[in-house]
Amino acid sequence: DGGITQSPKYLFRKEGQNVTLSCEQNLNHDAMYWYRQDPGQGLRLIYYSQIVNDFQKGDIAEGYSVSREKKESFPLTVTSAQKNPTAFYLCASSIGQMNTEAFFGQGTRLTVV
Amino acid sequence: SQKIEQNSEALNIQEGKTATLTCNYTNYSPAYLQWYRQDPGRGPVFLLLIRENEKEKRKERLKVTFDTTLKQSLFHITASQPADSATYLCALVFTGGGNKLTFGTGTQLKVEL
Repeated sequence: DGGITQSPKYLFRKEGQNVTLSCEQNLNHDAMYWYRQDPGQGLRLIYYSQIVNDFQKGDIAEGYSVSREKKESFPLTVTSAQKNPTAFYLCASSIGQMNTEAFFGQGTRLTVV
Repeated sequence: SQKIEQNSEALNIQEGKTATLTCNYTNYSPAYLQWYRQDPGRGPVFLLLIRENEKEKRKERLKVTFDTTLKQSLFHITASQPADSATYLCALVFTGGGNKLTFGTGTQLKVEL
């Protein structure tokens, strides 16, 4: 079954702790993305990667870090430097060409208390 | 930076009518424009893609228009059904922006019986 998987679906953390969100795809896609969505708002790009071992900052990268050591995996770490980390996080992948669609995971809802 | 605007107010229409959603952008011209559907608590799902040199694209009950002079895309759902109720997001890939996919804020559509 091909697709993109995010885990866990719900995540709770204490303030000041780093937390890593998982994103795995078996679609053989080159490009992967991380977005953040706040209630009633659209998606804001955190980081994206067009190829293994390379990634670029999106519009709101501060307080986040990523790695792309394998084509299938693009984990996102929410660090303690992120001022307002509670949000819905979405991972996506695409073939990597400009004219192709993105496939999204089911999202991870992170709550920091 | 690019700015993508969608009507933030929810759109309520009666079943059977045509729903029309608007996506406006500023600054740079996009190479491609995409529309996605998002249900509550889920990741967006791709619907349609239109290129900068295309005026109109259709898929079943869906129609997208793209006016690069007005910097606007319209998304139409004909013969709307309650099952069409969701949030609809437009997303743009801008020329010179690599494969970075930038989303609008989304418009919530509610189709009533």
